[in-house]
Amino acid sequence: DAKTTQPTSMDCAEGRAANLPCNHSTISGNEYVYWYRQIHSQGPQYIIHGLKNNETNEMASLIITEDRKSSTLILPHATLRDTAVYYCIVPDGGSQGNLIFGKGTKLSVKP
Amino acid sequence: DTAVSQTPKYLVTQMGNDKSIKCEQNLGHDTMYWYKQDSKKFLKIMFSYNNKELIINETVPNRFSPKSPDKAHLNLHINSLELGDSAVYFCASSQLGRGTEAFFGQGTRLTVV
Repeated sequence: DAKTTQPTSMDCAEGRAANLPCNHSTISGNEYVYWYRQIHSQGPQYIIHGLKNNETNEMASLIITEDRKSSTLILPHATLRDTAVYYCIVPDGGSQGNLIFGKGTKLSVKP
Repeated sequence: DTAVSQTPKYLVTQMGNDKSIKCEQNLGHDTMYWYKQDSKKFLKIMFSYNNKELIINETVPNRFSPKSPDKAHLNLHINSLELGDSAVYFCASSQLGRGTEAFFGQGTRLTVV
């Protein structure tokens, strides 16, 4: 079973920031949090990952709470092409390829 | 160049046939995977494989067998296809170890009729 819980769906206005929450209350001290997304009919796409510190790359920012029990993925300026299912994943056993996908959050970016 | 490529993209076949899906990665990764996405859109890992170890998801029927001719390829062979095998199959690769990401192919949509 997935180690994370996420809201089933969210809406966001185009050009606004999209903030996607994730709970991972059972995470261990050396386990990373990964975010992937799947745009309709495509393969999952890696977005970002983090351990303790907040992370930022060209796609998104990842904010991890100090107790590491939850995190938030931030898409700073959402576009229509960001409409996708977003998965927050804590890999099983720490191996980043053995990804246990939950149901994810369906993000709909609207004009 | 595509990092992880799968062929074919679409595959329609009859029940009882044997088929293969090919996967190649040009990232130099040491570990490859097969995932299955069913009609309800749940993604589940089927196999992970590197030079030393094949890890099989115990729920995968033994009609499914991964074969790796070399580090850059992991093919999926399916024998005696059944209607329930219809799904989208994704190949992925990563470098074993913590803190690195997995790259996925674009998927193979298998339809068994």
